[in-house]
Amino acid sequence: QQPVQSPQAVILREGEDAVINCSSSKALYSVHWYRQKHGEAPIFLMILLKGGEQKGHDKISASFNEKKQQSSLYLTASQLSYSGTYFCGGPAGGTSYGKLTFGQGTILTVHP
Amino acid sequence: DAGVTQSPTHLIKTRGQHVTLRCSPISGHKSVSWYQQVLGQGPQFIFQYYEKEERGRGNFPDRFSARQFPNYSSELNVNALLLGDSALYLCASSLWTGVDQPQHFGDGTRLSIL
Repeated sequence: QQPVQSPQAVILREGEDAVINCSSSKALYSVHWYRQKHGEAPIFLMILLKGGEQKGHDKISASFNEKKQQSSLYLTASQLSYSGTYFCGGPAGGTSYGKLTFGQGTILTVHP
Repeated sequence: DAGVTQSPTHLIKTRGQHVTLRCSPISGHKSVSWYQQVLGQGPQFIFQYYEKEERGRGNFPDRFSARQFPNYSSELNVNALLLGDSALYLCASSLWTGVDQPQHFGDGTRLSIL
């Protein structure tokens, strides 16, 4: 079962903030966040690990609630370059495998 | 440093044919994963290879197979193509298979089945 993301789409003006949520019905060992622009490869943003460790982008923050199996990605003071589809993903096969099950994506559009 | 490279970028095939997609990981990365992405959806995991061994397989039929070579490059093969196989096929590499490893994606191969 894939993680569920909300909202499905967000429209912002430059400088506004947004939160994208990711919820899983299965236990996640970590949560990965990626951004994909139309016609391009997904780009790694952040990994959140159990225990609070984070790896990734300096200008993007995120949280991972292990008890609720929920993660949120916080985009503050949005820029035009933030536009794209955001995917969360979690390892599907235990702690030793990096194979990811992705959510359906959240489309973020930032206008001038 | 070169990123993940995939070839070809686009491919058109007809039903029943066979296709081979290729991927070269980032230098130093030993793990390669393959994903299928249908328009409007997130990538779906197909295979993961590490040190030439299959480490994971997604929910795809046996028509899909893959292998990893000694130089860590990889091939994805799909036999008896169906219309539903039309998708963007993404390859991702990482240093190893741990859950703390970022996956770096290539630009993908756009496969169209007529």
